[in-house]
Amino acid sequence: GDSVTQMEGPVTLSEEAFLTINCTYTATGYPSLFWYVQYPGEGLQLLLKATKADDKGSNKGFEATYRKETTSFHLEKGSVQVSDSAVYFCALFHGSGNTGKLIFGQGTTLQVKP
Amino acid sequence: DVKVTQSSRYLVKRTGEKVFLECVQDMDHENMFWYRQDPGLGLRLIYFSYDVKMKEKGDIPEGYSVSREKKERFSLILESASTNQTSMYLCASSLGGRVNEQFFGPGTRLTVL
Repeated sequence: GDSVTQMEGPVTLSEEAFLTINCTYTATGYPSLFWYVQYPGEGLQLLLKATKADDKGSNKGFEATYRKETTSFHLEKGSVQVSDSAVYFCALFHGSGNTGKLIFGQGTTLQVKP
Repeated sequence: DVKVTQSSRYLVKRTGEKVFLECVQDMDHENMFWYRQDPGLGLRLIYFSYDVKMKEKGDIPEGYSVSREKKERFSLILESASTNQTSMYLCASSLGGRVNEQFFGPGTRLTVL
């Protein structure tokens, strides 16, 4: 079945460091891909998305490119801030309309130190 | 702004109690979802609903039931709470369609003693 695998956390970085969080997926066809972020004490928020191969999603300085050949959707940011400390979830949506569902990775905790 | 609200942020119940978790969305979304979130396991889908009075089992429905009597409200019911149901419960909604972006509530942290 469909699945999403993320790199193990926690990831600890200093402020202004470069961030990469790896995400790979297994699915038939062409799923839509998402990154969600969960700040402490809150629900998940959509960070960015890509709906077809080679699409690049971007938001708040974060980027991820849908790579069909490597079945990956790695999250990157050039310079992290303390306020980026959160849990990041990669997800795929496969299906159509009301018969599909989101499948999440296990989440990666990011800690950014000043 | 899109809004999904959940009835409680924190809840403590005893083993065997019947527990109701309520979720309300104000976006006129067709689809609503209940997940549980556990460390190292990510989010797992319990139940979802794509219309009033309709429900579908997710990946881990055992021990849970749901109710959707109105479009904006989706309730998760633990018929007889057990300690292994201690978890964070997240509700979400989506408009529907291929992209199916989901909007999440703040979560309810349930502890079953």
